Amino acid sequence: AQSVTQPDIHITVSEGASLELRCNYSYGATPYLFWYVQSPGQGLQLLLKYFSGDTLVQGIKGFEAEFKRSQSSFNLRKPSVHWSDAAEYFCAVGGIYNQGGKLIFGQGTELSVKP
Amino acid sequence: GAGVSQTPSNKVTEKGKYVELRCDPISGHTALYWYRQSLGQGPEFLIYFQGTGAADDSGLPNDRFFAVRPEGSVSTLKIQRTERGDSAVYLCASSLEQGFHEQFFGPGTRLTVL
Repeated sequence: AQSVTQPDIHITVSEGASLELRCNYSYGATPYLFWYVQSPGQGLQLLLKYFSGDTLVQGIKGFEAEFKRSQSSFNLRKPSVHWSDAAEYFCAVGGIYNQGGKLIFGQGTELSVKP
Repeated sequence: GAGVSQTPSNKVTEKGKYVELRCDPISGHTALYWYRQSLGQGPEFLIYFQGTGAADDSGLPNDRFFAVRPEGSVSTLKIQRTERGDSAVYLCASSLEQGFHEQFFGPGTRLTVL
């Protein structure tokens, strides 16, 4: 069955430090890949997506992610974290054959930012 | 423009009661999705609609859960004989059409079953 793994449940980084959130997926073909952010009391907001083409994708708020087929990974990065980036981050896969547009989410990584 | 809205934002009910959760998608979006998010977990797919019809309801946990979208716009998720395990945040999302367009999520309805 298709699945998404986010190995880190909680990460703390200092403001201004770089960030990498890990995501691995299990699927035989190349899925469509997404990163969403969820702030307290807010809905899920799409940060970026990968459908095809350039494996390094740029998103909003200075985030980027790199698709690595050989590692079945789609890690999210940001060179310098801001305090406002503290939130829950979800990796998701879609475009799975014969399963329409539904998304399969990882369990999330909670990001805390130290001043 | 208006985003996806969900009502109520919070719902507290007693075990065994019936509840309805409403989702208003973005105008013009033909695809509508329901997900359930339990504490500390990522959202789990429940059902999605393409127009008025349920294209995939494979995520509904059992026959106590049912959803409708009679006019291809607003959708209602209905839960009969609620159980404490149904407590979660129920998220609705819509997209321009079925497939791999961005899904825009609503703020969710937090359901608590006492």
